[in-house]
Amino acid sequence: AQSVTQLDSQVPVFEEAPVELRCNYSSSVSVYLFWYVQYPNQGLQLLLKYLSGSTLVKGINGFEAEFNKSQTSFHLRKPSVHISDTAEYFCAVTSPGKGSGYALNFGKGTSLLVTP
Amino acid sequence: DAGITQSPRHKVTETGTPVTLRCHQTENHRYMYWYRQDPGHGLRLIHYSYGVKDTDKGEVSDGYSVSRSKTEDFLLTLESATSSQTSVYFCASQDSGGKRGTEAFFGQGTRLTVV
Repeated sequence: AQSVTQLDSQVPVFEEAPVELRCNYSSSVSVYLFWYVQYPNQGLQLLLKYLSGSTLVKGINGFEAEFNKSQTSFHLRKPSVHISDTAEYFCAVTSPGKGSGYALNFGKGTSLLVTP
Repeated sequence: DAGITQSPRHKVTETGTPVTLRCHQTENHRYMYWYRQDPGHGLRLIHYSYGVKDTDKGEVSDGYSVSRSKTEDFLLTLESATSSQTSVYFCASQDSGGKRGTEAFFGQGTRLTVV
């Protein structure tokens, strides 16, 4: 079984400050890892994903994440946030399963609030 | 972006009534999923489909059924709605096979209120 823990339910930050949203996962098999963003009253949009290879993954809107296998973590970072980054962020894990495609297991989400 | 639409976008229904939510995708994706989103729980998998007429249960399947008679449509039915099924429901679709197929594309969601 796989699970994801997002360590912070809410992260307040000032505009132009750096931010890190933390994600830890547990799995007995190799994993694929994702970060999705959800703006108010919208669906989920993929920010970035780790499948294999380089452990530093760059995504859209200036976000990046680093896969750390020894610490089973996949933290999301941005060096300078904007007001428009205010949203809910979800970390998710999956691995190939018989017949199930790559069904995602989500964390509970982190609400990022950027203020002036 | 993948074309995936959900209908209706909002619905209020009474306890005990059946409700069907529709998900339609235009990408010919093999896999489709229904999730529910609740505060403090993130998104939880209800049911998924890995092909026409091929479906299976997810983490929170009790009280829900699904059907997929065509590649493009995935229906979620609440047989007898309860207040605990008040939630936002998301459909997702995904291409098949390999690393290319791992991104899931989400619909805009259906906000269901059971009164």
